[in-house]
Amino acid sequence: DTAVSQTPKYLVTQMGNDKSIKCEQNLGHDTMYWYKQDSKKFLKIMFSYNNKELIINETVPNRFSPKSPDKAHLNLHINSLELGDSAVYFCASSQGTSMNTGELFFGEGSRLTVL
Amino acid sequence: AQSVTQPDIHITVSEGASLELRCNYSYGATPYLFWYVQSPGQGLQLLLKYFSGDTLVQGIKGFEAEFKRSQSSFNLRKPSVHWSDAAEYFCAAIKGTGAQKLVFGQGTRLTINP
Repeated sequence: DTAVSQTPKYLVTQMGNDKSIKCEQNLGHDTMYWYKQDSKKFLKIMFSYNNKELIINETVPNRFSPKSPDKAHLNLHINSLELGDSAVYFCASSQGTSMNTGELFFGEGSRLTVL
Repeated sequence: AQSVTQPDIHITVSEGASLELRCNYSYGATPYLFWYVQSPGQGLQLLLKYFSGDTLVQGIKGFEAEFKRSQSSFNLRKPSVHWSDAAEYFCAAIKGTGAQKLVFGQGTRLTINP
């Protein structure tokens, strides 16, 4: 039973399109995250939600809009896709916002390719 | 700026050999430190973490890491690697309280020769 699941796993689309990636966790955690991993494997946080409330919003273009309908789900919608958006997007969850409460649990990633 | 640095982008070792992956951090005080592993096509999995206390921490899969404040380092070690250890390894750090941001190093790709 997958703890953090993301869909789709692969996404190939044209520039200018709008796409969404969905994430669900069944761990009962109250905090969820989106990370972006670029072609050089560098991982950078994009957003974090705690109990459906946005608590971290890094310098991300406003074409990216996260939505958390409940604390088990965190979706990422991307408008007007650009070539530079091509990356692997990882969803993660944790219990609490303070990292000394535990680890992050990651999904398997969603590989987005913009042509 | 607060950062985590992994000096080695790619390391190759023979199966059965010992392994050490380097990690340095630059923070004003000791952050919380982590090592994660990413197998091909998979998400990241926590290997071990250091918050305080004993500077040698044990993790899963036979890994350990040693925190050295004087060197601002948190190197990952394994006495004898297995072919299944081939993966990308990420050192990460976080500091302070409140909303947390886990900051990752650039990663070290580990290749195992048979």
